[in-house]
Amino acid sequence: QSALTQPASVSGSPGQSITISCTGSSSDIGSYNLVSWYQQHPGKAPKVIIYEVTKRPSGISNRFSGSKSGSTASLTISGLQAEDEADYYCCSYTGTSTLIFGGGTKLTVL
Amino acid sequence: QVQLQESGPQLVNPSETLSLTCTVSGGSVSSDGYYWSWIRQPPGKGLEWIGFIYYTRNTEYNPSLKSRVTISIDTSKNLFSLKLASVTAADTAVYYCARVTTNWASGLDYWGQGTLVTVSS
Repeated sequence: QSALTQPASVSGSPGQSITISCTGSSSDIGSYNLVSWYQQHPGKAPKVIIYEVTKRPSGISNRFSGSKSGSTASLTISGLQAEDEADYYCCSYTGTSTLIFGGGTKLTVL
Repeated sequence: QVQLQESGPQLVNPSETLSLTCTVSGGSVSSDGYYWSWIRQPPGKGLEWIGFIYYTRNTEYNPSLKSRVTISIDTSKNLFSLKLASVTAADTAVYYCARVTTNWASGLDYWGQGTLVTVSS
């Protein structure tokens, strides 16, 4: 069970938009609309920001959006703000009552 | 508001068993509809799902850890626990407990703050 593939790092300037990809397989992302995304600031627990591919929990800014095409999910953050600088992880259900995470992406706001 | 809190030894000797507890408040581990999960994160690395338990005591584990992991639940104390046997330095990590709905749709919606466990003699 290999981890989902994410870029190690992305960067953008305040106000810009960035997209983080998360590539899996037909056994996970490709078969289920059960992809979630987590934001993790240093020394803190992860926080869910997207679930079921596109849905935002209450209190999460609409600057965060999710999508999926085939076996690749994506997280887009628009109107980048300094507070968005964090690590981001994707996660997918795998169909055998297990979960798999991506390797994580470090977002730097320039 | 559901809150989860991990507790247990912060230092474990190699080859011994790591034991952690997650105490839940503001909600019940006996609730129909939720799996109670463990996730870990080695220092400077990514997240790894360890496994989950349902109030019926049904469990599922990450295949890579399955031979060494046991997750249990105590509904009378509203907590669930993790045991990881035969630990090595590679098991040094921050261990988190978290909740997910049984349809897997919610994502891991509530997390504990995490506890760092170091494996060293």
